[in-house]
Amino acid sequence: NAGVTQTPKFQVLKTGQSMTLQCAQDMNHNSMYWYRQDPGMGLRLIYYSASEGTTDKGEVPNGYNVSRLNKREFSLRLESAAPSQTSVYFCASSEGANEKLFFGSGTQLSVL
Amino acid sequence: QKEVEQNSGPLSVPEGAIASLNCTYSDRGSQSFFWYRQYSGKSPELIMFIYSNGDKEDGRFTAQLNKASQYVSLLIRDSQPSDSATYLCAVNRDDKIIFGKGTRLHILP
Repeated sequence: NAGVTQTPKFQVLKTGQSMTLQCAQDMNHNSMYWYRQDPGMGLRLIYYSASEGTTDKGEVPNGYNVSRLNKREFSLRLESAAPSQTSVYFCASSEGANEKLFFGSGTQLSVL
Repeated sequence: QKEVEQNSGPLSVPEGAIASLNCTYSDRGSQSFFWYRQYSGKSPELIMFIYSNGDKEDGRFTAQLNKASQYVSLLIRDSQPSDSATYLCAVNRDDKIIFGKGTRLHILP
């Protein structure tokens, strides 16, 4: 039972570099989410996909893009990384919108 | 007003006592309410969810929802040192889940 798998677990980037965070779930869930967590800030929603083929902005979408590649996979791309994007990123999935979330193990990203 | 508000704590509670965690939300249309526990360096894990007004109990945990007051709480009975963690309140807004900043709970042995 893998659940929600995120890669990589750790990443260091230089300002201006690009990268893609990968997320896959094996629970046949319809909805997938990307959150970032900064100290003392809780979880802030970046983008979400309520169902395959749809994506929508969350609370803090600037500087990010997403792709819902298929029902299983939802990737997050940083086109030109900035130090303000240093954070822990969590992918999550749920059976449907507004249902309980299952989280991946997180990606610790540092942008220098 | 922030969408989901929680006291950041830390909340210190003696072992064996009841810990009470509170959360208020701004969207009267919210229908789904969740409590997640997060240990340091780990992912959040769901401990309770509630959709209807009133109380919902699961073991030592009770979630309470009052939609008229836009208030949701979590009670932890017989608190254990292993309950020391950050507790995140989450509420739906339309078709997305929004989190509060979390309350740090410290159980004193």
